[in-house]
Amino acid sequence: GALVYQYPRRTICKSGTSMRMECQAVGFQATSVAWYRQSPQKTFELIALSTVNSAIKYEQNFTQEKFPISHPNLSFSSMTVLNAYLEDRGLYLCGARGTGDTEVFFGKGTRLTVV
Amino acid sequence: GDSVTQTEGLVTLTEGLPVMLNCTYQTIYSNPFLFWYVQHLNESPRLLLKSFTDNKRTEHQGFHATLHKSSSSFHLQKSSAQLSDSALYYCALSVPGTGGYKVVFGSGTRLLVSP
Repeated sequence: GALVYQYPRRTICKSGTSMRMECQAVGFQATSVAWYRQSPQKTFELIALSTVNSAIKYEQNFTQEKFPISHPNLSFSSMTVLNAYLEDRGLYLCGARGTGDTEVFFGKGTRLTVV
Repeated sequence: GDSVTQTEGLVTLTEGLPVMLNCTYQTIYSNPFLFWYVQHLNESPRLLLKSFTDNKRTEHQGFHATLHKSSSSFHLQKSSAQLSDSALYYCALSVPGTGGYKVVFGSGTRLLVSP
């Protein structure tokens, strides 16, 4: 079956430092990968949508300078949170979809705590 | 823009009673995909139901929903709530975005089922 592994599951970083999270698709080709953030008491906000061989599209309020994303092949994507501050804490999810698929498969998320 | 509205933040029920969680959506895209995801504590969202066919009931694990394009609704129902149904439920909309399909989540409804 299709699975998405995301790591690390939890991370703590000091304010002003950066952390990288990774997402790996198994059992299908992740043509597109979307990164979401679920802040405390909030729903999932789309950060950016990445499709292999296309430009990464960032949503309003999110920038490449703050959340650089790499999607080099059909099984892997990574995102870095640069210069993290308190407002960046939350659960970061990657959701991957194959070509022609309607379902998005989610990883278990990376919970970021900023201290 | 594309949006999903879930009017109830919290629904509390006694075991055995019927469940209905509301979901309406807004999009200019004429053929959206609608989803219900369930998120249990400390887990990632898991697909519960999906549909893109107007007026067709879709069922899974005792839950069902019917996409009604005329009213832009995709309400989630179950005839008899179980304790294990307690979780966060997200209605989501998938529409074409730049570079691929993007999923837009509603704000979520927490369902609490008590004995």
